[in-house]
Amino acid sequence: GAVVSQHPSWVICKSGTSVKIECRSLDFQATTMFWYRQFPKQSLMLMATSNEGSKATYEQGVEKDKFLINHASLTLSTLTVTSAHPEDSSFYICSARPPQRGYNEQFFGPGTRLTVL
Amino acid sequence: AQKITQTQPGMFVQEKEAVTLDCTYDTSDQSYGLFWYKQPSSGEMIFLIYQGSYDEQNATEGRYSLNFQKARKSANLVISASQLGDSAMYFCAMRGTNTGNQFYFGTGTSLTVIP
Repeated sequence: GAVVSQHPSWVICKSGTSVKIECRSLDFQATTMFWYRQFPKQSLMLMATSNEGSKATYEQGVEKDKFLINHASLTLSTLTVTSAHPEDSSFYICSARPPQRGYNEQFFGPGTRLTVL
Repeated sequence: AQKITQTQPGMFVQEKEAVTLDCTYDTSDQSYGLFWYKQPSSGEMIFLIYQGSYDEQNATEGRYSLNFQKARKSANLVISASQLGDSAMYFCAMRGTNTGNQFYFGTGTSLTVIP
């Protein structure tokens, strides 16, 4: 199957700093990638849809100025958590859909665990 | 709006037995897809099985089968011959055609397989 990677796999940062998380599709091009957040023992919540070459589409309640998404190429989307606070500590997962595989397949990255001190 | 409901926060099953994980959904879309994912403690999301809303037969993938009852809007996952490695969180998800093809997830069921 298609492979999606994320970097870093975990990060610890101080409150007030910014953290960038990368999501890469390794063997396919993805015009659309998705970013999810998962709090401990909870479900995945869709944060935003990342569109290559255009602005991301954010879900209701997600601050676009806090969670900056850049999808500058067909294989890379980045999520930057700006001025991170302890409540931003979470598991962030991206996914991508190979266009030639249709809408029924979506491949997930391994996730990034963010801890804000 | 899409809504996925998983009413079983935790389930236990004896090794080699079958177990059913419940999932109900609500959508106004005529065409949609239903998915089940497994999330072990490592955090990765592992695709298990897919059911299209127009598929007349229940999907099967090895030990996994999906009991799709469209009129009742349910898509239960059946795992046969449970193995210790099946212990994980299981999420039911839906993709709707009128919502930009995003995936929406249920709250998950934690499955523990007992030796």
